[in-house]
Amino acid sequence: QKEVEQNSGPLSVPEGAIASLNCTYSDRGSQSFFWYRQYSGKSPELIMFIYSNGDKEDGRFTAQLNKASQYVSLLIRDSQPSDSATYLCAGRGDNQGGKLIFGQGTELSVKP
Amino acid sequence: EAGVAQSPRYKIIEKRQSVAFWCNPISGHATLYWYQQILGQGPKLLIQFQNNGVVDDSQLPKDRFSAERLKGVDSTLKIQPAKLEDSAVYLCASSLEGGGANTGELFFGEGSRLTVL
Repeated sequence: QKEVEQNSGPLSVPEGAIASLNCTYSDRGSQSFFWYRQYSGKSPELIMFIYSNGDKEDGRFTAQLNKASQYVSLLIRDSQPSDSATYLCAGRGDNQGGKLIFGQGTELSVKP
Repeated sequence: EAGVAQSPRYKIIEKRQSVAFWCNPISGHATLYWYQQILGQGPKLLIQFQNNGVVDDSQLPKDRFSAERLKGVDSTLKIQPAKLEDSAVYLCASSLEGGGANTGELFFGEGSRLTVL
């Protein structure tokens, strides 16, 4: 069973702090990873994807991938109350027909 | 560009009744997915279509769930008979391509929230 595991949370950080969200995966065949944000009662929306080892930055967001350790993370700098949501990590492999396998999500709360 | 459309948004039924959900993907998207998201959990793939063919339905409970994508566009997901544990949000998503590791993102609809009493 191919699995993606995330810290269950909830994670609470003060406004302006760095939020760190972590994800591990069991399938070494997974090639790319996606971070989705899901506000309560809404559908998931893509924040970033990463497929190369190392860091990928986009504004206040940085995704990190370490394939040797089978570890993915998302850092949110200068966290804002509007970042409060559930963050879903998902993995995709070459031979999985494009489907994403999601973790259970980490709830983030940013306190003003 | 219009997004993924789903209906109904909300449905409440008694156990053992049947229900159907409809999805219209983004125009031109060949791949369509149905995910089940139980409260507090991540989405779980039920079925994936590439055009009008099934790519993966390994986690679809086929004794009660069925899905079709006639003409490779709209799709319908049916549950008959429903059980209490089917209470969830049913998310439809679409993407331009289905294969390869670095292909496009999945675009999700607003979801259909099912409550089984």
